[in-house]
Amino acid sequence: EDKVVQSPLSLVVHEGDTVTLNCSYEVTNFRSLLWYKQEKKAPTFLFMLTSSGIEKKSGRLSSILDKKELFSILNITATQTGDSAVYLCAPVYNNNDMRFGAGTRLTVKP
Amino acid sequence: NAGVTQTPKFQVLKTGQSMTLQCAQDMNHNSMYWYRQDPGMGLRLIYYSASEGTTDKGEVPNGYNVSRLNKREFSLRLESAAPSQTSVYFCASSIASSGLYNEQFFGPGTRLTVL
Repeated sequence: EDKVVQSPLSLVVHEGDTVTLNCSYEVTNFRSLLWYKQEKKAPTFLFMLTSSGIEKKSGRLSSILDKKELFSILNITATQTGDSAVYLCAPVYNNNDMRFGAGTRLTVKP
Repeated sequence: NAGVTQTPKFQVLKTGQSMTLQCAQDMNHNSMYWYRQDPGMGLRLIYYSASEGTTDKGEVPNGYNVSRLNKREFSLRLESAAPSQTSVYFCASSIASSGLYNEQFFGPGTRLTVL
């Protein structure tokens, strides 16, 4: 069965720290990878990555994909308490299937 | 725009009962999805509808049926609820037409408990 592994499972940092979240996948027929942020309720979209080596950036968040090594990272610089959430990655396959990882729970302390 | 709405927000069922979860979106999106989320397991796709009139199975379709009533509405039915179906159910939509996932907008979720 294809696996999506996110690491670390949880992370506690202080405001101002920089964090790197990892997502590795073991899939064939890979097409793209999505990142979501989930606070108390519904996930909200962050990035969609389709090409290796091209960084996507939105404010303090950035993400990059390595299709050769089958992983993606999500970076958050100068973290704030509002960044506290579960971060989910989801690879998408050519057969229209997508699988979410279990997520990384980030806690940012003041 | 309300975005993606789901009803009900909470539901408690007894084993064997049936119910339908409703989802509607007002963003003129082509694709709609149903997920379940269990603790420690992330989101799992139950069914999706790439366009009006089509539905396809996702990762965990057993025990569920869906109906894409029109472009706006996508319902999920549990014919005979089981305790293993206790979960939080999310509906989502995206502008993507057949064959492509992109930014999905999620509803607020339905917390279902089956006793």
